[in-house]
Amino acid sequence: SQQGEEDPQALSIQEGENATMNCSYKTSINNLQWYRQNSGRGLVHLILIRSNEREKHSGRLRVTLDTSKKSSSLLITASRAADTASYFCASETSGSRLTFGEGTQLTVNP
Amino acid sequence: KAGVTQTPRYLIKTRGQQVTLSCSPISGHRSVSWYQQTPGQGLQFLFEYFSETQRNKGNFPGRFSGRQFSNSRSEMNVSTLELGDSALYLCASSLAGTSGKETQYFGPGTRLLVL
Repeated sequence: SQQGEEDPQALSIQEGENATMNCSYKTSINNLQWYRQNSGRGLVHLILIRSNEREKHSGRLRVTLDTSKKSSSLLITASRAADTASYFCASETSGSRLTFGEGTQLTVNP
Repeated sequence: KAGVTQTPRYLIKTRGQQVTLSCSPISGHRSVSWYQQTPGQGLQFLFEYFSETQRNKGNFPGRFSGRQFSNSRSEMNVSTLELGDSALYLCASSLAGTSGKETQYFGPGTRLLVL
């Protein structure tokens, strides 16, 4: 069974708007990673945040991590139609084992 | 650098057959992990190999096995295929996978359909 939960399960916004996705996990982690997946293809790595970090930025992406609440959020600013995809959080616990959330399907309407 | 490659990309098998999938990690990466993705169960960890040894294993039956070669390439094998094994199988590689700081890079996946 999966450790993580993500909400919302689906999100539909207009181009230019911001999109926020949330993720929760259950046990202590080494790091948390966010991935994007287009139409059942491979996972594209977006950003990694370590357990001792609280916030990280990469381009239009902003990730926060709250280890006390065992939660993380991904913010995509000024969204584009090309951002339409499924987004997954993955917590790394032991070694390089990733436990994935259920994913958020983001649709950005032009 | 070339990314993670997986072969074949698509595969159709019938129940009871066996299948072998291949993964070539990014050059210099020594850790290779395998994941199964299905609509019902989502993304689930199968196993991880490092330096030709299985270092971590998920909760899958013994029909699922793998190995890693000295050049870090990895194969996974599924014997006695069942309909429920139909899935996208993803391979990920990282340098060593123990520091908690490393990104895991995924391949495009092998889509397996069991009829």
